[in-house]
Amino acid sequence: EVQLVESGGGLVQPGRSLKLSCAASGFTFSNYGMAWVRQTPTKGLEWVASISTGGGNTYYRDSVKGRFTISRDNAKNTQYLQMDSLRSEDTATYYCARHSTTGIPLFAYWGQGTLVTVSS
Amino acid sequence: IQMTQSPSLLSASVGDRVTLSCKAGQNINNYLAWYQQKLGEAPKLLIYNANSLQTGIPSRFSGSGSGTDFTLTISSLQPEDVATYFCQQYNSWTTFGSGTKLEIK
Repeated sequence: EVQLVESGGGLVQPGRSLKLSCAASGFTFSNYGMAWVRQTPTKGLEWVASISTGGGNTYYRDSVKGRFTISRDNAKNTQYLQMDSLRSEDTATYYCARHSTTGIPLFAYWGQGTLVTVSS
Repeated sequence: IQMTQSPSLLSASVGDRVTLSCKAGQNINNYLAWYQQKLGEAPKLLIYNANSLQTGIPSRFSGSGSGTDFTLTISSLQPEDVATYFCQQYNSWTTFGSGTKLEIK
C-alpha cells in the first residue's frame, strides 16, 4: 500500500525557516517524481514544487522561487521542502504527492497534509 | 492556465444526476483530472485524461469534454459523495480549479 506521511509543520514567525519531510513507503520511491501541493481556504489548491526521480531537476511556482528548496533522499525514501523567508501568505496545509508513472503532475497518491502557520 | 469551476456550491438530492463544470483558459488537450476532497482529508483522484476512471472509483462517476470545456457527472448522487470537487489541468505544468462544494439537499 502506498503511503506518504508528512511531518515538520507548525507555527513559525515571518522571515523564519521551516523544513517539511515526507516519508514514502509501499512503492519504489526512486522511480517517481514527487511534489508538494498546498491548500488554503482562500486560494484553494496550489502546486508548490516538484523534483525528478534522481533529484537533478527541480521546479517551483514563481511565488516560492528563491525561498523554497525541494530535495529528496532516495536511500531514505524521503522528500523534503526547505522553506526560508516565510511569509504570511505561505500559511497553508502542505501535502506531499506522487507524480504519475510518466512523470507528469497527476497525483494519484497524497499524504495527509501538515499545517504550516506563518504568524508573529 | 486559469481553471474556472461552476457552480461554487451545488445542492442536490440523493439519487439525482449531478453535473459539475470546469472551463480552461485555453486548450488543454484533454489533460484534465478531477479530484474529490472530503472534509479533513486529502484530495482523491477520480478521473484523469478527462474521461478515464481511476482504479477503485465507482462507475457512477464519469468525465467528459475536450479542449476547454469539461464536465464531471455523478449519475446517481449518494450521501457519501458530499465533498468538494476540484479539476486540474496538467497540459501546461499544472493548475487547479477553485472547487465545487457538493451538498445533499
